[in-house]
Amino acid sequence: DQQVKQNSPSLSVQEGRISILNCDYTNSMFDYFLWYKKYPAEGPTFLISISSIKDKNEDGRFTVFLNKSAKHLSLHIVPSQPGDSAVYFCAASVVDTDKLIFGTGTRLQVFP
Amino acid sequence: DAGVTQSPTHLIKTRGQHVTLRCSPISGHKSVSWYQQVLGQGPQFIFQYYEKEERGRGNFPDRFSARQFPNYSSELNVNALLLGDSALYLCASSLASGHPDTQYFGPGTRLTVL
Repeated sequence: DQQVKQNSPSLSVQEGRISILNCDYTNSMFDYFLWYKKYPAEGPTFLISISSIKDKNEDGRFTVFLNKSAKHLSLHIVPSQPGDSAVYFCAASVVDTDKLIFGTGTRLQVFP
Repeated sequence: DAGVTQSPTHLIKTRGQHVTLRCSPISGHKSVSWYQQVLGQGPQFIFQYYEKEERGRGNFPDRFSARQFPNYSSELNVNALLLGDSALYLCASSLASGHPDTQYFGPGTRLTVL
């Protein structure tokens, strides 16, 4: 039972353009959502998060949008850079726990 | 400052054997969580320990166990290894429990079961 889904296994974007990564969830008890970035041979690195009481959070080139009614969140990266090429995981948690439920990841490739 | 460290980096075992994986959290971090990442999937939660007590357990069989020591380092033990246990095992640490966005992941231990 996949509670967090990333339906696009890969995405290819030209440098300077916008990258949009999508994530859907099924559990209404999730109250916190996070995006992680992972390079080969490294552990996931926290990128940005959003609480369920918000619908948008920005941090530099990264913006996360949350649509609770659709149980959908997205990560926007603009402008995309070659160094952004990595696997991006969407994750969700329930209040006051550290347990993260991860999606299957989207491999982003940013080409010149 | 040193990040989360895990040992060993790689490990090869045969079916039926036992394995112990180790994790040292960031200095001052009291919470440690373990995740299993099978190839092509996202990390899956196994355990969380906070102040040496189990705070959460994922949907894994009893062959999986863990503990946290007084210095907050942690061990993950897997008995009677199966081929399906082949995965990257990730450890994450955080200052306190209940703050998922403050978790820092180690590089993982790659376990191969033959």
